[in-house]
Amino acid sequence: SQTIHQWPATLVQPVGSPLSLECTVEGTSNPNLYWYRQAAGRGLQLLFYSVGIGQISSEVPQNLSASRPQDRQFILSSKKLLLSDSGFYLCAWSTGRETGELFFGEGSRLTVL
Amino acid sequence: GQNIDQPTEMTATEGAIVQINCTYQTSGFNGLFWYQQHAGEAPTFLSYNVLDGLEEKGRFSSFLSRSKGYSYLLLKELQMKDSASYLCAGMDSNYQLIWGAGTKLIIKP
Repeated sequence: SQTIHQWPATLVQPVGSPLSLECTVEGTSNPNLYWYRQAAGRGLQLLFYSVGIGQISSEVPQNLSASRPQDRQFILSSKKLLLSDSGFYLCAWSTGRETGELFFGEGSRLTVL
Repeated sequence: GQNIDQPTEMTATEGAIVQINCTYQTSGFNGLFWYQQHAGEAPTFLSYNVLDGLEEKGRFSSFLSRSKGYSYLLLKELQMKDSASYLCAGMDSNYQLIWGAGTKLIIKP
């Protein structure tokens, strides 16, 4: 069966510090991968998605970046965090872009102070 | 613009029935999705509608009217574990999901 894991689950970072969130998927090949951010009282915001290794599409211009160094690994990074980067970050995978059935990781709660 | 509207919060009684409404405006339409999200956890997929009508899956059913841009999620025989947020999402012509802010459902004994 397929599984998805992301880490760390919780982190508190000072403004201006770097960020690295990692997500891995097991049990499937060539998944579509996504990074979402969820802010309180707002819908899920798509940050990045990837259809293959090294193929990253950015949906929202910001100080975040994403990379896909391996087929089932997706990394969200920042060189310098802002206060507004605080939120609940979710990694997800799907079998294809046309399917809206997403499988989410456990989530990473980021607090920037 | 694209938009998903759903109530912020609803309260219901254990054992009862509750209907959570969702209206959507998307550029093109490729389906309407419902997800369940317990507090502090990730969303999990509940249902998908692309044609008009009712889709039943156990205690949960989802309805779609494309002409009205409207969907609802119906939960029967409510259990305490159904206390969660329910997210409505519409898929546009580019296969992008547009998410509502979610409806927090509170179940009382």
